[in-house]
Amino acid sequence: QKEVEQNSGPLSVPEGAIASLNCTYSDRGSQSFFWYRQYSGKSPELIMFIYSNGDKEDGRFTAQLNKASQYVSLLIRDSQPSDSATYLCAVPSPGADGLTFGKGTHLIIQP
Amino acid sequence: DTEVTQTPKHLVMGMTNKKSLKCEQHMGHRAMYWYKQKAKKPPELMFVYSYEKLSINESVPSRFSPECPNSSLLNLHLHALQPEDSALYLCASSSGTGRQYFGPGTRLTVT
Repeated sequence: QKEVEQNSGPLSVPEGAIASLNCTYSDRGSQSFFWYRQYSGKSPELIMFIYSNGDKEDGRFTAQLNKASQYVSLLIRDSQPSDSATYLCAVPSPGADGLTFGKGTHLIIQP
Repeated sequence: DTEVTQTPKHLVMGMTNKKSLKCEQHMGHRAMYWYKQKAKKPPELMFVYSYEKLSINESVPSRFSPECPNSSLLNLHLHALQPEDSALYLCASSSGTGRQYFGPGTRLTVT
């Protein structure tokens, strides 16, 4: 079982709607969770992090964590064409001080 | 300020060349990382330096040699690379919270 799993998409969402991105992880000991946004040809940019069960909101972004079910999600409200990118879910790597990434979900916001 | 800088932005090298990638951060972060990212794949952890001490990823070939001259600088020395080593090489740093900030990357092409 892969450590971090995401649906690779593409996920197509109309402009102004809510985009919902999901991620599951295998290590029950994971304590922190990160969402990165990566535009084509660019490096990953940290947009959200969450440590506790529940929701965390930052502007149009909401991260949701459910440790019992081992999933973390990212909601993007009022989606804009500029939100079109690949969204990478990441957790700390077991036994190493780095991050393990999911394959990423390619999000397309349709004008 | 979450800026990590990397040079060069692009590098083309032959299989017999020796070259180095450079990374710098001035955020006082204790940990620095090298990741490799192939097209349409997530970043993969290569090396970690924590307080200037190296954690080795055993799956990285010896033709990649990291160096941390001081807490702000990180180098990746390249020698006798193969065409399959062509990728985007990303440097990141972290203050120890788990949140990692990436530089813009060096796009490497091995001919």
